[in-house]
Formats: sequence, structure tokens, C-alpha cells
Amino acid sequence: AQTVTQSQPEMSVQEAETVTLSCTYDTSENNYYLFWYKQPPSRQMILVIRQEAYKQQNATENRFSVNFQKAAKSFSLKISDSQLGDTAMYFCAFMKHPGNQFYFGTGTSLTVIP
Amino acid sequence: NAGVMQNPRHLVRRRGQEARLRCSPMKGHSHVYWYRQLPEEGLKFMVYLQKENIIDESGMPKERFSAEFPKEGPSILRIQQVVRGDSAAYFCASSPPTGGWSGANVLTFGAGSRLTVL
Repeated sequence: AQTVTQSQPEMSVQEAETVTLSCTYDTSENNYYLFWYKQPPSRQMILVIRQEAYKQQNATENRFSVNFQKAAKSFSLKISDSQLGDTAMYFCAFMKHPGNQFYFGTGTSLTVIP
Repeated sequence: NAGVMQNPRHLVRRRGQEARLRCSPMKGHSHVYWYRQLPEEGLKFMVYLQKENIIDESGMPKERFSAEFPKEGPSILRIQQVVRGDSAAYFCASSPPTGGWSGANVLTFGAGSRLTVL
């Protein structure tokens, strides 16, 4: 079975600063995807960034980047130049490949302070 | 492209009634997933369906819950004889057919249906 752990229930960051959200996972699979999803107060789930496990290079999407450590089974999300609109719940998710079932962590509530 | 459409957005039921939640996947997506989010918790997988087939229902409660994705029309999550513990946000997601490392396995979520059981 796969498990995803987010050990930071709540975090805050000053606007324009950088914050890192932690995620670890446990799996015996070798091929898989990792994701970060954002859930703002509207409750819509929005994909932030995706990482394929076979790629050593860390994924980046504008102000969002990940630090993927496969051996350590760690997948942290770094948000640079934080903006007020980044305030949301952030969920880390795992999906084995091939496969379709996603496993989500319990989320980190991020508040960006003006 | 209207995205994943869920309705109703909010549903109130009394204990013992039935709840029906609908999900229309994104155009071109043939896989549908239902997740449940309890207050202050993450999303829990319930069921994965393709047209006319239930692929994985390992997350579905054994009783009162059922799901379908007919050849025509939306996917429906049905909860019979609802209880207060069923109060939650129910999210539907869809994805294109699987295959390779093409990135096709990204889930696109709907806005969710919030069920409140009185």
C-alpha cells in the first residue's frame, strides 16, 4: 500500500517570501508520479506541479518548484515570491505507474500574510 | 472545454433519504474517479470507473454507496439511507485514457458537491 505524509498541518509566510512544504511517501513501486494540488477557499482542486519518478531533474512551474529525493522518498514544494493568491490547502499526491489511483496526503494549510 | 462538471454543488438531505451526485468528465476523458473529503481531512479515494465498468471500488463503503458511469450521461454517485457521517465534500475527477509517460494521467477535478445530512 502507498501512504503519503504531510507533517505540517499549517504554515504561514510573508508575502514575497519563500516557503517550503514537506511531503514524504512510502511505496515499493519504482515507477510513479508525484503531484502537488492546491485547494483554495473555493474548494476547487488545481494541479500545481507534477514529477515523474524516473526523471532526476526537479520539476518547476514558474514560482513553484519541487525537491524530489527518490531515495529518501521525499517530495517538497517550494513557493517563491509568495502571493496572497497562494493562500490555500496544498495536497501532495502519489500515483503509481501504470495505474490510476491517487493517494493524497492530509494537506498543509498555507496562509500568505500581507 | 467546460472542464469537469459536478452537480449539485450543495445538497441537503435528511437522515434516511437518498443522495445522488452527478459528474460529467472533461471532453475526451474516459476515466472518472470519486473522492470524499471529510472536514479537515485530505481526499480519500472511493471508486474509479470507465464507461460501463467499475475498475476499482476498493474505497467504497460496502453498504449504501454505489457508483455508475453509463454509456450515455454523467457518472452518478448514489448514497442510500444517508447518515450524518456521510456529510462531506464529494469530488469527481477525470483523466484521459492511460498509457505511457505522456502525462495523460493527470487528474482534473470538478468543484465538488457538498452533502449535508441533517
